[in-house]
Amino acid sequence: VQLVDSGGGVVQPGKSLRLACEGSGFTFRGYGMHWVRQAPGKGLEWLAVVSYDGNKKYYANSVKGRFTISRDNSMNTMYLQMDSVRPEDTAVYFCAGTIGTDYPDFWGQGTLVIVSS
Amino acid sequence: AIQMTQSPSSLSASVGDRVTITCRASQGISNDLGWYQQKPGKAPKLLIYSVSTLQSGVPSRFSGRGSGTDFTLTIASLQPEDFATYYCLQDNSYPWTFGQGTTVDVK
Repeated sequence: VQLVDSGGGVVQPGKSLRLACEGSGFTFRGYGMHWVRQAPGKGLEWLAVVSYDGNKKYYANSVKGRFTISRDNSMNTMYLQMDSVRPEDTAVYFCAGTIGTDYPDFWGQGTLVIVSS
Repeated sequence: AIQMTQSPSSLSASVGDRVTITCRASQGISNDLGWYQQKPGKAPKLLIYSVSTLQSGVPSRFSGRGSGTDFTLTIASLQPEDFATYYCLQDNSYPWTFGQGTTVDVK
């Protein structure tokens, strides 16, 4: 099982960025997938989940209405569309899958997003 | 959203010590609680789920208990590789929420 996060970088406040998470070594379309972030020197923050088929999505209050989670099972890839980003969105973003349990139990390596002008 | 409060926020311990970390939920979450370990620069690792079920490959010195609103993670005999930050996670209702973390460092 492998999850690879990508798409991070420096983005200006108010702009958009799309993160991706590609899965391999398992049946990607069979499992729910999550995004979790960690601001520098801070704790973990759960952000969003998408069901195995993409039909159900839930968000943290801090990103609801600005971020959109989605998946393309034909590409074994999950996405996080980040719109209207703010400096407080600066963080390492991890994708994670609920593969062996009902909890995020396989994680990507994380991708760093820096929101700065 | 359900708030998860961990205590202490940090603790200092020695190899061989028994360590207990507490997580309290702002409302009842049944047995919908997991524990994670995170080391600097690494992704979190699932240790325990559903309060007390040990994830595959996790040493038996880790244990969890509790129900409703109060939960504990115990490390029976702290090993050098256990110095890390620990987080609880509630999956009872969306949005899921983590505790703020407990850092275990060397005394």
